[in-house]
Amino acid sequence: DTGVSQDPRHKITKRGQNVTFRCDPISEHNRLYWYRQTLGQGPEFLTYFQNEAQLEKSRLLSDRFSAERPKGSFSTLEIQRTEQGDSAMYLCASSPHTGELFFGEGSRLTVL
Amino acid sequence: AQSVTQLDSHVSVSEGTPVLLRCNYSSSYSPSLFWYVQHPNKGLQLLLKYTSAATLVKGINGFEAEFKKSETSFHLTKPSAHMSDAAEYFCVVSDRGYKYIFGTGTRLKVLA
Repeated sequence: DTGVSQDPRHKITKRGQNVTFRCDPISEHNRLYWYRQTLGQGPEFLTYFQNEAQLEKSRLLSDRFSAERPKGSFSTLEIQRTEQGDSAMYLCASSPHTGELFFGEGSRLTVL
Repeated sequence: AQSVTQLDSHVSVSEGTPVLLRCNYSSSYSPSLFWYVQHPNKGLQLLLKYTSAATLVKGINGFEAEFKKSETSFHLTKPSAHMSDAAEYFCVVSDRGYKYIFGTGTRLKVLA
């Protein structure tokens, strides 16, 4: 299967700990997105990469959040000093030049 | 600025009856419009997209949507609902090629 993969699928952590999520996009897609989704809501944009360049960050992305995409391949999203309000599903999507978003299954974070 | 409004948060239909999920959008440019479906604890799957070609767009699983510029609408329809259609549906607008705005979602319930 050559879809978008995310790891881990579930993460339970204690408040104050750091967590990192990984996303492997579809290989020929040069755009990569991170979204956050809370229960009953639509996905909210966090950040966007074109190849390795991070071109836009949402104001939702506080300085505890950082994302990278070294060499324009996989991407990581790190949350430092987690808070209970960070509990959500973190979705990664990649996109070809035709504009569709292809989503992974998501990484669900629970902060205790 | 672009925005999208899904007019119903919940829709219930009986199996075998038509489905109508409503979406209105606002865009300063010629938008691309998408419908995505999300089953519980899963990522989002593209149902269909509109990108200024034919105004009636056919998607997967028997869904279709009609772009009506005069009404700024992009409603999703299906002639006959199936139990497997029960899910959350998101309307998405993009008018700058890389930024996607999601609606708040419509939860479709299919009654036996």
